[in-house]
Amino acid sequence: NAGVMQNPRHLVRRRGQEARLRCSPMKGHSHVYWYRQLPEEGLKFMVYLQKENIIDESGMPKERFSAEFPKEGPSILRIQQVVRGDSAAYFCASSPSNRKVKNNEQFFGPGTRLTVL
Amino acid sequence: TQLLEQSPQFLSIQEGENLTVYCNSSSVFSSLQWYRQEPGEGPVLLVTVVTGGEVKKLKRLTFQFGDARKDSSLHITAAQTGDTGLYLCAGAPPTGANNLFFGTGTRLTVIP
Repeated sequence: NAGVMQNPRHLVRRRGQEARLRCSPMKGHSHVYWYRQLPEEGLKFMVYLQKENIIDESGMPKERFSAEFPKEGPSILRIQQVVRGDSAAYFCASSPSNRKVKNNEQFFGPGTRLTVL
Repeated sequence: TQLLEQSPQFLSIQEGENLTVYCNSSSVFSSLQWYRQEPGEGPVLLVTVVTGGEVKKLKRLTFQFGDARKDSSLHITAAQTGDTGLYLCAGAPPTGANNLFFGTGTRLTVIP
């Protein structure tokens, strides 16, 4: 059973470009979460999605950031017009449906390291 | 925002020594999880504690949830070099929201 997959693992963008980060949840999981981690810090929650729905985006910056989890395909975190401050590791986590999720247990992917030049 | 402070931030010890890492908050959590993160990888779930005062053991690791469900500790006995990593605690809010609030992390280095 494959774990959470993220790609690319490393992404380099110049200021003003767009970054698209992809996440495929574990098989059977319908909930996806995105977190951001700055160097030597813990993870900060950004957004929580179910298939075709954004459930909680309270941690997402209001501008330039968007997320989706379409009916088919991976979840996408999109950052438009990137700035140097966007450089960080972005982690995706997944969990089963609400009825099966246990104590908010989430399983994390390996992350995408975004570097903005 | 529910803040979780971890201490110490950095810890370097000799192989075979014991250590304790703390995770403290002024907020109550419905559950608390401990993760370990290796460089360049995502966090890996170690344990979840749910009940106030609960103690769980995972081989040489002992996890405790505070009686008031505001704090937790991780104790490692006879540390090994394989224990080296970033240890993160994460709390689930009592509101029923599905996100996790992560602690600031403790970077442990075990020296052979």
